[in-house]
Amino acid sequence: NAGVTQTPKFQVLKTGQSMTLQCAQDMNHEYMSWYRQDPGMGLRLIHYSVGAGITDQGEVPNGYNVSRSTTEDFPLRLLSAAPSQTSVYFCASSYGGQALYTFGSGTRLTVV
Amino acid sequence: AQTVTQSQPEMSVQEAETVTLSCTYDTSENNYYLFWYKQPPSRQMILVIRQEAYKQQNATENRFSVNFQKAAKSFSLKISDSQLGDTAMYFCALSGNTPLVFGKGTRLSVIA
Repeated sequence: NAGVTQTPKFQVLKTGQSMTLQCAQDMNHEYMSWYRQDPGMGLRLIHYSVGAGITDQGEVPNGYNVSRSTTEDFPLRLLSAAPSQTSVYFCASSYGGQALYTFGSGTRLTVV
Repeated sequence: AQTVTQSQPEMSVQEAETVTLSCTYDTSENNYYLFWYKQPPSRQMILVIRQEAYKQQNATENRFSVNFQKAAKSFSLKISDSQLGDTAMYFCALSGNTPLVFGKGTRLSVIA
């Protein structure tokens, strides 16, 4: 049972480049979400999904796109990377209303 | 909107002593969950303890216990017999009808 798998673990981008952070879970969880973690700011919600085909914005959605075509996958897209998007990104999933969250190991992204 | 406030950016405690981390929150929902997560330098998010708001009894997990004051919207974490391995960032979090909302964290150092 792999849990929540995030790839890549580390990435360096140049300003203006695009990329996709991958998140996959094998627990048949309905809920998936993306967070960014910055020093002194805790984890802030970027986007989330309550099921395939359904997504919604969180606290800091600007500059990021998501889609949820399958239950298993919830990729996060940066269309034009900016230095302000340098952060550690976490994906998490949970099953319905049980509020038992599983986190991925995180992606450290640096935009230069 | 849901908010979580951790007023202690940093704390330290002597090994084998007891320490309490503070957390206050705000929500308009009646059904919600409260959490404490531990994040060691590996950046893995580890669930320490989970409290269901409708349960009056305070949750405990071995050396970790909470003081849940629902009317005051307070959710503090007590760590007894502190160990060097408890050194980490600790995040308080809240989940209701939306995904987890985190506080900014408390960095705990356990000193030998």
